[in-house]
Amino acid sequence: QVQLQESGPGLVKSSETLSLTCAVSGASINSYDWTWIRQPPGKGLDCIGHIYYSGGTNYRSSLKSRLSISVDRSKNQFSLQLTSATAADTAVYYCARVSGAGIDYWGQGVLVTVSS
Amino acid sequence: SYELTQPLSVSVALGQTARIPCGGDNVGNKDVHWYQQRPGQAPVLVIYRDTNRPSGIPERFSGSNSGNTATLTISRAQDGDEADYYCQVWDGSLVLFGGGTKLTV
Repeated sequence: QVQLQESGPGLVKSSETLSLTCAVSGASINSYDWTWIRQPPGKGLDCIGHIYYSGGTNYRSSLKSRLSISVDRSKNQFSLQLTSATAADTAVYYCARVSGAGIDYWGQGVLVTVSS
Repeated sequence: SYELTQPLSVSVALGQTARIPCGGDNVGNKDVHWYQQRPGQAPVLVIYRDTNRPSGIPERFSGSNSGNTATLTISRAQDGDEADYYCQVWDGSLVLFGGGTKLTV
């Protein structure tokens, strides 16, 4: 059974870097594409970036200058780094697996609050 | 950039049929996926590629997609179907979600 688990600080200071990791079990990170999706409190879902099985990445244009997604194949996990965090980055962050049949596996989500 | 439009809310009586639309320019030419999100939980895929149900999703859930509107249909609505529902397509090389619809039973 495929499982994803996000981990990282739940509180980040404004202007610092928001860092999260997604540990994947039950599937090889080398065989699928993966994504980070966030959901501000009370709002909808917003995909912020992908990392492909090839290692290539794609980011939402508004975040491109601050966002980096990388993969650690030895640990079967992928990570997100968002620099210069602001209150607007406060959200539940989900990692998920992307396939041709939609986003079929999701992590449980982690709330990250950016405070001054 | 491409946009998907969903109504903020849809109401349905217990046991009746709910239809949740997702509008987009020629969305019928794209694959549309649907997700259910209950409060405090991660989204769950309920329909993929317009009309297909993942294993474990009840037959009461069905989808269609034509022209400028994709539709999620929930037959014989139950209390447990009360949730937010999101449609999703690929916009170039990034996943794009509709704004979400709150279904009230």
